[in-house]
Amino acid sequence: AQSVTQPDIHITVSEGASLELRCNYSYGATPYLFWYVQSPGQGLQLLLKYFSGDTLVQGIKGFEAEFKRSQSSFNLRKPSVHWSDAAEYFCAVGAPGTASKLTFGTGTRLQVTL
Amino acid sequence: KAGVTQTPRYLIKTRGQQVTLSCSPISGHRSVSWYQQTPGQGLQFLFEYFSETQRNKGNFPGRFSGRQFSNSRSEMNVSTLELGDSALYLCASTSGYEQYFGPGTRLTVT
Repeated sequence: AQSVTQPDIHITVSEGASLELRCNYSYGATPYLFWYVQSPGQGLQLLLKYFSGDTLVQGIKGFEAEFKRSQSSFNLRKPSVHWSDAAEYFCAVGAPGTASKLTFGTGTRLQVTL
Repeated sequence: KAGVTQTPRYLIKTRGQQVTLSCSPISGHRSVSWYQQTPGQGLQFLFEYFSETQRNKGNFPGRFSGRQFSNSRSEMNVSTLELGDSALYLCASTSGYEQYFGPGTRLTVT
């Protein structure tokens, strides 16, 4: 069965600092990988996705993620965090062909200090 | 295009009652998935409907059911509510391999 681990429950960064959120997955083959963001009381917004090809993918709001097969990781990065980035971030994995049935990590709550 | 809409946004029910939640996908999307989000269990997949047929199912008891109509709108039903069913229920519609989520229905069971 596929699984996703987000080892950091809560991260605090200063505005303008760089950010990296960790995500490790467990799956037999190369899964479809996603990062979503959720603001309080809201649904999930897709930041970026990886299916195949270039292992560095760009997303919305200045986010990027790098797929590393050898480490089974798909870490999310942003060079300079803005206060509006404070939210909860979820990494998710979907089996190829069934990306409408996602397995989510437990999420990382990002706090941004001014 | 309008996004995924879910109604109602908030709901309070009593143990033992049943509840029906509604989801309207983005126009043209034929797949609708449902997820339950709780602080303890996180985001868990309930089921997916495609062209009025359940295509995938998660590990939830039979009290949780759903259906999809010919216009792709979907409903999920929870019978005999338990306190542990209190959660945010999220609906997502899928285009290709991208899921777009609605704002959710916050269900509180007392």
